[in-house]
Amino acid sequence: NAGVMQNPRHLVRRRGQEARLRCSPMKGHSHVYWYRQLPEEGLKFMVYLQKENIIDESGMPKERFSAEFPKEGPSILRIQQVVRGDSAAYFCASSPPDTPGNQPQHFGDGTRLSIL
Amino acid sequence: AQSVTQPDIHITVSEGASLELRCNYSYGATPYLFWYVQSPGQGLQLLLKYFSGDTLVQGIKGFEAEFKRSQSSFNLRKPSVHWSDAAEYFCAVGENSGGSNYKLTFGKGTLLTVNP
Repeated sequence: NAGVMQNPRHLVRRRGQEARLRCSPMKGHSHVYWYRQLPEEGLKFMVYLQKENIIDESGMPKERFSAEFPKEGPSILRIQQVVRGDSAAYFCASSPPDTPGNQPQHFGDGTRLSIL
Repeated sequence: AQSVTQPDIHITVSEGASLELRCNYSYGATPYLFWYVQSPGQGLQLLLKYFSGDTLVQGIKGFEAEFKRSQSSFNLRKPSVHWSDAAEYFCAVGENSGGSNYKLTFGKGTLLTVNP
């Protein structure tokens, strides 16, 4: 029973390039969440998705960031034209439907993004 | 808006000693409460959760936490710490209402060091 799978574990990009982070939720989970963890900070909510739908993207930066969760395949967090400030750990979490407040959320091991 | 405060950035205890990690939250109603643990380079693992009912909750690895509404606290405790407990601990709050009850708000974490 695999947990939440994220890849790559580490990603290095140069300024101006694009970064694509992937997340496969746990089996049976249809809700996906992305969080960002800056150094010495707690995790900050970015976006909540269900299959083919963005439910809440209130935590996403207005520009350069987008997320999707297609009918088939993993959820993708895409960062265009990366800047140094995008360096962080990005965590994906998933939860099954029909639980109180969609909780608890189960987390993957994260993608550590470094911008050169 | 809800918030979480973990007053202790770093705690050092000796192996076998008792442990208490503090967590205070700000929220208008009874929230969902969680403790997660993060080992270096890893994702977050759920230790325990409180949704309702008994205010003393038991978790994995011998941890427990007590919800005290009057103090807006959800402190994590363990009677005897093991060296493998060295990690960073995050307290999190989820809204307990309709709408955006999936968003988790995290504290900044408490780093636990265990001396032999």
